[in-house]
Amino acid sequence: DIVMTQSPDSLAVSLGERATINCKSSQSVLYSSNNKNYLAWYQQKPRQPPKLLIYWASTRESGVPDRFSGSGSGTDFTLTISSLQAEDVAVYYCQQYYYTPQLTFGGGTKVEIK
Amino acid sequence: EVQMLESGGDLLQPGGSLRLSCAASGFTFSSSAMSWVRQAPGKGLEWVSAISGSGDNTYYAASVKGRFTISRDNSKNTLYLQMNSLRAEDTAVYYCAKDFCADGFCYFFDHWGQGTLVTVSS
Repeated sequence: DIVMTQSPDSLAVSLGERATINCKSSQSVLYSSNNKNYLAWYQQKPRQPPKLLIYWASTRESGVPDRFSGSGSGTDFTLTISSLQAEDVAVYYCQQYYYTPQLTFGGGTKVEIK
Repeated sequence: EVQMLESGGDLLQPGGSLRLSCAASGFTFSSSAMSWVRQAPGKGLEWVSAISGSGDNTYYAASVKGRFTISRDNSKNTLYLQMNSLRAEDTAVYYCAKDFCADGFCYFFDHWGQGTLVTVSS
C-alpha cells in the first residue's frame, strides 16, 4: 500500500497567522495522462466526522473558505491556511486516491491556537 | 441535502458478530458507490471497504478481508457492514461515506455520516 506521511503531527499558530501542513506519499500520485494529482484534504473538528476540503490537490470543495489552499505535485503536498481562525482548530488529513480501491490517509495533523 | 445516518454500533466480546447500517438520503443512492471508513479512539482514518452503486463490486482492506462483508439494499437506500470474528483492534467509530465518482472511477469521499461506535472488549 502507498504510505502517506504528514508533518508536523501538531502545530500551534496565532490567530490570523499562516498554518502549513505537509503530506508526502511513498509513490507518486500524479496521473500523467490527465496531469492530475490524486490527493484530497479533509478537516475533522472535535466530535465531528471528517469534511472534504480540497481534492485534485488544489481544488477547493464548494463552500470552503478561500483561506484554505492546496499545492504540490507528485509526492509532496501542502495544505495552507493563510489566516488562521478560531473555527479552524481541527485535525487535518491528506488522502491518496490514485491506488484505488486501497485508499490511504495520512496520520493527521492537529492544528491549535497559540 | 445529503444525509447519512449510521446505526448498529455496540459493545461486544472478541469473536462476536455485528451488522452496521447506514441509511442515506438526499442523493441517488443506487448510482453512488459507498464506503466504510473507521477511526480507532484517538487515532487516524482507515478505509475499510467499498461497494459499487449496483452492489456487483466490493472491495476490502487487508485487515478485514474474509471477516467483514459490505452490502447494500438500493430499495431501502441503506448500506450495511456485516462484521464477524471481531477483534479488539476493530474497536473504532465506523463512518459510512459517499464516494465521489466520475467516468467509472471513484476517488475521494464527498459526504460522511456521523459514525457509530463499535467496541470489542472482554
